[in-house]
Amino acid sequence: NAGVTQTPKFRILKIGQSMTLQCTQDMNHNYMYWYRQDPGMGLKLIYYSVGAGITDKGEVPNGYNVSRSTTEDFPLRLELAAPSQTSVYFCASTPGYGYTFGSGTRLTVV
Amino acid sequence: AQKVTQAQTEISVVEKEDVTLDCVYETRDTTYYLFWYKQPPSGELVFLIRRNSFDEQNEISGRYSWNFQKSTSSFNFTITASQVVDSAVYFCALSETGANSKLTFGKGITLSVRP
Repeated sequence: NAGVTQTPKFRILKIGQSMTLQCTQDMNHNYMYWYRQDPGMGLKLIYYSVGAGITDKGEVPNGYNVSRSTTEDFPLRLELAAPSQTSVYFCASTPGYGYTFGSGTRLTVV
Repeated sequence: AQKVTQAQTEISVVEKEDVTLDCVYETRDTTYYLFWYKQPPSGELVFLIRRNSFDEQNEISGRYSWNFQKSTSSFNFTITASQVVDSAVYFCALSETGANSKLTFGKGITLSVRP
């Protein structure tokens, strides 16, 4: 089992560029989440999904979009990158009681 | 809405000292889960413990112990005889049971253990 796989691990974007952070899990978990971590601020929920075809906003959704076409994949899309989106992004999944986190994507917007 | 408060931001101790990391939570649910995660300098999130709201027994795992008190809405974490390898950021988190199972994190405590 690979668990939760995030790609890329690092990325530098220019302001206004777009990109997709990939997240794949092979545990058949229904629930998936995207968090961002800023220094001293803990992890904040961006978007989550309770199953294929269902997504909802978390605490800090502005500037991001998600889709969930399959149980395995939960990509996070940044359309117009801004410096405020410089952060470490974590994807996580759960069957409902224990969480598995990916190793994170460190994104810098310059 | 649920909330997790980790009032301590940075703690520095000398190796072999005991250290307690505080966590206070707020929730309207009667059924919930509490977690502690460790984030070493390498950046990954390492699961340490999950506690069900119905289970108030304290837990010990090696040098780690957890004290859960519903009366004060606290879930404190103690490291006994700290070691340099314990240096990390520690997060307390809360999950309410329900359809979305979202985790709410505290801001984290940076623990530095000096040799």
